[in-house]
Amino acid sequence: DTEVTQTPKHLVMGMTNKKSLKCEQHMGHRAMYWYKQKAKKPPELMFVYSYEKLSINESVPSRFSPECPNSSLLNLHLHALQPEDSALYLCASSQDRGRPNTEAFFGQGTRLTVV
Amino acid sequence: DQQVKQNSPSLSVQEGRISILNCDYTNSMFDYFLWYKKYPAEGPTFLISISSIKDKNEDGRFTVFLNKSAKHLSLHIVPSQPGDSAVYFCAARPTKSGANNLFFGTGTRLTVIP
Repeated sequence: DTEVTQTPKHLVMGMTNKKSLKCEQHMGHRAMYWYKQKAKKPPELMFVYSYEKLSINESVPSRFSPECPNSSLLNLHLHALQPEDSALYLCASSQDRGRPNTEAFFGQGTRLTVV
Repeated sequence: DQQVKQNSPSLSVQEGRISILNCDYTNSMFDYFLWYKKYPAEGPTFLISISSIKDKNEDGRFTVFLNKSAKHLSLHIVPSQPGDSAVYFCAARPTKSGANNLFFGTGTRLTVIP
C-alpha cells in the first residue's frame, strides 16, 4: 500500500464554519506534511510532523490548526478562514523526517473553497 | 523568493521524441532533488530522484542529470508517450540542515503530441 488518502476531495465552507481535513497513510511513515497549492503555483509547505510531534510550522496563521492523533493520521482543523485560503491542500508522508534521500508520497488533495 | 525555478511553463513534444525539462536552484544547501508528475485534480506523484553525490540517475525512460556547479538539473524522458502529458515539478531538499521539507519549482506543463 503506497497510498496517502485524503478526505474530503472537495470542501466548500463559509467564513464562520469549522471544518477538518483528514489524511491517512499505512506505509509506516513517521513524517507527515501539509502543503497548500494555489492555482498555477508550486506546493508550499505549511506543517511537518515527525513522530507525531509538530516539528515545522511555516508561519501559518492560527486559523489553521494541525493535529496528529497517531502515526497514521494527520488532520488539519479549519476555523474562520478567508476566501484567499481557497486552494488545494495536499498531505504527504515520508519514511522519516531526518533520513535523507527518501521521497515524499502525496495524497490527491482536498480542493477547498471558502465563500 | 523562489529558490527552485522552472523557467519553461510549457513544453510540447512529438510522441517518440525526447522531452527535456529543466530546473535551476539557488540554495547551495540543497542536496537531494526530486521530480514529481502531477495530473489535474490529483496530488504529485514521485518520478525519480538524485542525490548531490551523483550526476546522473536513470529509471527506465526517465533520466535525471545534475550539474552542481551550475545549480541545474534536467529530466529527460525518452521516448515520450502521450500518457506523459502532465505538469512536472522539480523539488529540492536541504537534508544536511536537518529539515526534510521540499521546495518546489513552479512546474512545466508537458504535452506529448500523438
